[in-house]
Amino acid sequence: KAGVTQTPRYLIKTRGQQVTLSCSPISGHRSVSWYQQTPGQGLQFLFEYFSETQRNKGNFPGRFSGRQFSNSRSEMNVSTLELGDSALYLCASSDGLSSDTQYFGPGTRLTVL
Amino acid sequence: SQKIEQNSEALNIQEGKTATLTCNYTNYSPAYLQWYRQDPGRGPVFLLLIRENEKEKRKERLKVTFDTTLKQSLFHITASQPADSATYLCALDGYHNQGGKLIFGQGTELSVKP
Repeated sequence: KAGVTQTPRYLIKTRGQQVTLSCSPISGHRSVSWYQQTPGQGLQFLFEYFSETQRNKGNFPGRFSGRQFSNSRSEMNVSTLELGDSALYLCASSDGLSSDTQYFGPGTRLTVL
Repeated sequence: SQKIEQNSEALNIQEGKTATLTCNYTNYSPAYLQWYRQDPGRGPVFLLLIRENEKEKRKERLKVTFDTTLKQSLFHITASQPADSATYLCALDGYHNQGGKLIFGQGTELSVKP
């Protein structure tokens, strides 16, 4: 099976702009989770979507939002970018049912200038 | 809130030795604990999952223990190789708290010298 794919791999934006990241899960997986990874805070959970519904949400401001489509592909949007949003954004998929083993994509490296 | 702590300092060992990484947690009783490996610039890769009612789990050269009394998990790599050099992350399930899907530790960087 093909792994989790994320696009784009690298992104440079300026403060105040918005950005949309995309994630395609492993075929058959209905759960997609998003994480932010920074050197200072480590890996932090943003939110999880299962069958097009947000099932879990981390402690991030409302500027961070997401959605999931009927084919399980997911997008994450960050509005009004701040310098502190510079991070590696990781998407992970799982079957969402039997276990919570997460299969991660390669990530999108976002740099906010 | 729950907290996860891993060895903050990098672990340097000689090839062939056993590497032991520690994961401690507080203010929580997880249903399971997972270990992941992450290489620079790449996403974490799942290694092992151990449930609260399991004391030990093995997979090839890897062994994980889970002590719910001490609130600690140990991750062992026996006969370590330079290819084992990476950052290792432990993660707890987050359903029972506000943390969400998985709560990750900061990771321990392992370096295996030939």
